Amino acid sequence: KAGVTQTPRYLIKTRGQQVTLSCSPISGHRSVSWYQQTPGQGLQFLFEYFSETQRNKGNFPGRFSGRQFSNSRSEMNVSTLELGDSALYLCASSFGTTLNTGELFFGEGSRLTVL
Amino acid sequence: GESVGLHLPTLSVQEGDNSIINCAYSNSASDYFIWYKQESGKGPQFIIDIRSNMDKRQGQRVTVLLNKTVKHLSLQIAATQPGDSAVYFCAEKRDDKIIFGKGTRLHILP
Repeated sequence: KAGVTQTPRYLIKTRGQQVTLSCSPISGHRSVSWYQQTPGQGLQFLFEYFSETQRNKGNFPGRFSGRQFSNSRSEMNVSTLELGDSALYLCASSFGTTLNTGELFFGEGSRLTVL
Repeated sequence: GESVGLHLPTLSVQEGDNSIINCAYSNSASDYFIWYKQESGKGPQFIIDIRSNMDKRQGQRVTVLLNKTVKHLSLQIAATQPGDSAVYFCAEKRDDKIIFGKGTRLHILP
């Protein structure tokens, strides 16, 4: 069974631009969570989607948004990029929501550099 | 952002010895804890979990201990191998979200 796939793996943007990251979960998984990972702050929860609905949201500004499609694939968008948005963005899928499980299956991440 | 606290950022262990990675949490209402391992260039990988109604849980070469009195969690790795070299995160379920600590890097000495 294929794992979680994230695209693109690497990207460079400039301040003020926007970016869209994509995540394809493991087949049959309906929950997708997004995390931002930086050396200083570690792994920080962005949001979780289940059945095309946002279940939960972390403490990030409104510039960070996401969505989930009917095939469970998810995208996250960051608008008006800032230097501090440079990070590894990780997507994780699970069969059920985090209400029922803590076993998340992570992709390898999309590394965003903002110049 | 939200995070679970950790005692040490780096731990060096001789190959073959046992490793103990510690984690403290602050929310006494947390009832579910998880350990993840992240190797270089990869996403975190689930190792083992434990619910608050347990004190100990064992997996393959790993044991998680939970002390609710002092709000402390530990991961023990038996007979540490070079492949165990990674960053280890403890995580807790808080407000229906999985919240990660900042991680401990485990170095294996030959």
